[in-house]
Amino acid sequence: ETAVFQTPNYHVTQVGNEVSFNCKQTLGHDTMYWYKQDSKKLLKIMFSYNNKQLIVNETVPRRFSPQSSDKAHLNLRIKSVEPEDSAVYLCASSRLPLNQDTQYFGPGTRLLVL
Amino acid sequence: QQKVQQSPESLTVSEGAMASLNCTFSDGTSNNFRWYRQHSAKGLEVLVSIFSDGEKEEGRFTAHLNRANLHVSLHIREPQPSDSAVYLCAHAGNKLTFGIGTRVLVRP
Repeated sequence: ETAVFQTPNYHVTQVGNEVSFNCKQTLGHDTMYWYKQDSKKLLKIMFSYNNKQLIVNETVPRRFSPQSSDKAHLNLRIKSVEPEDSAVYLCASSRLPLNQDTQYFGPGTRLLVL
Repeated sequence: QQKVQQSPESLTVSEGAMASLNCTFSDGTSNNFRWYRQHSAKGLEVLVSIFSDGEKEEGRFTAHLNRANLHVSLHIREPQPSDSAVYLCAHAGNKLTFGIGTRVLVRP
């Protein structure tokens, strides 16, 4: 049963456009994450929020910005997308931060930048 | 920084035969590993979390951790075609570090 929801499923855009991805979890977790899965299927953490506070910010380009309105929602905005941003973006949540607890993932948003 | 490598890259097994996947890591002081499964167009599903040397079973999935050998494995008992997916090993340190995955195909 899906408890981490992501929209949209798929998005095609052109270089230079701005995109926003939404993530919502209904598990009552305090911590949420964004991951990027590249064409080689390697998953890497981008950001982590705990109770709406940013706690992990890996080295990602400044055009990426996470946005959290409450602890159940964590959106990702990309200003001026570039071709290398084409990937699957996965949202996840966990009860405890810093990988002390199992993370549950959403189905992902596939981004294609033309 | 912890590095996680998985083998084989792909694996084909017959339905009902045991499937074995391997994962090696670089830092033997770690003790928090997870196996995830990723079906096409779906999110990751956690299968087993293991925190100490030895064995941990969750249904048909069994993980073995041997920190001295820097190795954690996953065994799938009686695999079914619906188990066909990419299996990801992950180390849970201050962040989740994933391997590249093993693509498993279970033939009827």
